[in-house]
Amino acid sequence: QSALTQPPSASGSPGQSVTISCTGTSSDVGGYKYVSWYQQRPGKAPKVMIYEVNKRPSGVPDRFSGSKSGNTASLTVSWLQADDEADYYCSSYAGSNIFVFGTGTKVTVL
Amino acid sequence: EVQLVESGGGLVQPGGSLRLSCAASGFTFSSYWMHWVRQSPGKGLVWVSRINGDGGSTSYADSVKGRFTILRDNAENTLFLQMNSLRAEDTAAYYCAREVNGAFDSWGQGTLVTVSS
Repeated sequence: QSALTQPPSASGSPGQSVTISCTGTSSDVGGYKYVSWYQQRPGKAPKVMIYEVNKRPSGVPDRFSGSKSGNTASLTVSWLQADDEADYYCSSYAGSNIFVFGTGTKVTVL
Repeated sequence: EVQLVESGGGLVQPGGSLRLSCAASGFTFSSYWMHWVRQSPGKGLVWVSRINGDGGSTSYADSVKGRFTILRDNAENTLFLQMNSLRAEDTAAYYCAREVNGAFDSWGQGTLVTVSS
């Protein structure tokens, strides 16, 4: 049950795009479609931004998109806004009713 | 509106026990898998445990297996986490979350557990 690997930080200027990677193994990210992404602002509960690799819940802007290739999933935030500054976490089903989160990425809007 | 409200956190000595509760409303509680997720101060999210709709299937992270028990009372729309043999490293905010399509679509506000002498 090792955490999925994310870069500690990512940044971009308003209007630019930022992509966050989430690397696991064939036993988690690579093996299932249940990869999701969460935004967490300081002192707040996480909020789901992407589920099942690339699906957006109602109310999440289409500036947020997800993808997966092999054992690595990615979250792209396009047209960065100041409000996007937060911590982002990926999560994956890992089989046998187990889930695992990523190490988290702090996104800074310059 | 889906609401999840945790309670039961507090200060406990190492080796002690605590029972967290998560009161659910706004949805048919018994139809959903539910989870506990924790976050130590300044650290990342860590999945803790999962329970199915009727309570008959449970799973745990290795770090808590044998010490924590996830339970639910569908008549009272409440999820529980019984935590025994607590350690300093269990200090964290504990969130309950609802699972939909393999994702955690609703979260509570969290309850803080501090394990310290």
